Amino acid sequence: GENVEQHPSTLSVQEGDSAVIKCTYSDSASNYFPWYKQELGKGPQLIIDIRSNVGEKKDQRIAVTLNKTAKHFSLHITETQPEDSAVYFCAASKGFKTIFGAGTRLFVKA
Amino acid sequence: NAGVTQTPKFQVLKTGQSMTLQCAQDMNHEYMSWYRQDPGMGLRLIHYSVGAGITDQGEVPNGYNVSRSTTEDFPLRLLSAAPSQTSVYFCASRVGRGLTHSGANVLTFGAGSRLTVL
Repeated sequence: GENVEQHPSTLSVQEGDSAVIKCTYSDSASNYFPWYKQELGKGPQLIIDIRSNVGEKKDQRIAVTLNKTAKHFSLHITETQPEDSAVYFCAASKGFKTIFGAGTRLFVKA
Repeated sequence: NAGVTQTPKFQVLKTGQSMTLQCAQDMNHEYMSWYRQDPGMGLRLIHYSVGAGITDQGEVPNGYNVSRSTTEDFPLRLLSAAPSQTSVYFCASRVGRGLTHSGANVLTFGAGSRLTVL
C-alpha cells in the first residue's frame, strides 16, 4: 500500500524566516497531494493541494512543489508568522484512500 | 452549517468494554472516513465509506467495525476495547464523486474524539 514519509518531525524558525517541509510517497499512481494544518485541539484543515499534472502551486505565502519522477513533494512557507505555529501533515491520495505523513510540528519564534 | 460533528469529545473505557463513536455530517457528502491519530504516527485510515451501505477497510481496521445506513452518519464501533486503541479519533468527509473537479478531494474533519482505554 501507499506509504508517505515526512521530514522533519519538528521545525523551529524565527518569525519572518522560511519553513520547508518535505514528503516522499511510494505509490506512483497517487495523483492528489494535499497539505493540512492542525491547530491545538482541532481537526486538520486543508491549506493547499496539488494534483499530479501540476509541478508547482502558490497561494500567498504558501507554495507546494511536486516532483513526480522522484516521488517528492514539499511545502514552503515564506515570511513565517507566530500564527503559522501548528502541526502540518502532507498526504497522498489515490481514489478513495488518502494516506498521511507522520506530521511536522512547526514552531515560529517571535 | 455544522460540518462534521463527532461525539463524544472525551471517553474513558476499561479493557473489554464496547462503545460507539458517532460521526454526522450535514454537507451531503458521499464519502466518509475514520482516522486515528497517535504521536509520531500521523493520521492512519481505519475504515471508509463511499456511500450508504458501502464500507471498506483502511490501513488499520482490526478491532473496529463500521456501518453506513444513511448518508449523514458513519459510526465507529469498538466491540472489545484494548489499551492499544487509546488514541484521538477523527471523522472526515468529502464529496466523493467527480473526483477531478476542484474541491472534490478536500477532506473536512471533525474536532476529534479522545479515547482512553485503561
